[in-house]
Amino acid sequence: AQSVSQHNHHVILSEAASLELGCNYSYGGTVNLFWYVQYPGQHLQLLLKYFSGDPLVKGIKGFEAEFIKSKFSFNLRKPSVQWSDTAEYFCAVPRDDKIIFGKGTRLHILP
Amino acid sequence: DVKVTQSSRYLVKRTGEKVFLECVQDMDHENMFWYRQDPGLGLRLIYFSYDVKMKEKGDIPEGYSVSREKKERFSLILESASTNQTSMYLCASSAGTGPYEQYFGPGTRLTVT
Repeated sequence: AQSVSQHNHHVILSEAASLELGCNYSYGGTVNLFWYVQYPGQHLQLLLKYFSGDPLVKGIKGFEAEFIKSKFSFNLRKPSVQWSDTAEYFCAVPRDDKIIFGKGTRLHILP
Repeated sequence: DVKVTQSSRYLVKRTGEKVFLECVQDMDHENMFWYRQDPGLGLRLIYFSYDVKMKEKGDIPEGYSVSREKKERFSLILESASTNQTSMYLCASSAGTGPYEQYFGPGTRLTVT
């Protein structure tokens, strides 16, 4: 069955630093992957998704993620973070008609 | 825009009380979900529903029940609230079958004292 693991539970960066958040998935046939984000006080929302095609996926607010099949990874990246990127980020994988979420990474950006 | 609303943002209840959390979606989605979110544990699925009057247990259904009498509404019930049910509860909906994205409500922060 599909599952995901996120390596970092808490990340602190300064503004303008580059970001990479790790996500690994377990093999389970066709691979579809999501990244969700939850800004402070806001509802969880979709950041980007991979279903098929180009393994480099671009999402909202300058985020991107690369699906690397050989490494079972779907890491989230942003070249230059802003204070407003402070949030909790969840990697997720569909399983049947449900979605299995990772435990989340809290990102704190220092101004 | 898909809108998922939850009846309360904050709720304080006493141990042993029966608690109802309501969720309504306005996009005619077939699927609805209830999660609880706890620090360091991510989102854990409590119950979900594919259709009216239909429910399936998620990963942590103990101590909870659900009701779906109308397509747009999905209720989570804590029959006898306990302190270990203090948590953030998130409702979500998605369309049809397949790996469709889920749309989330703002959450209800429940405190059981």
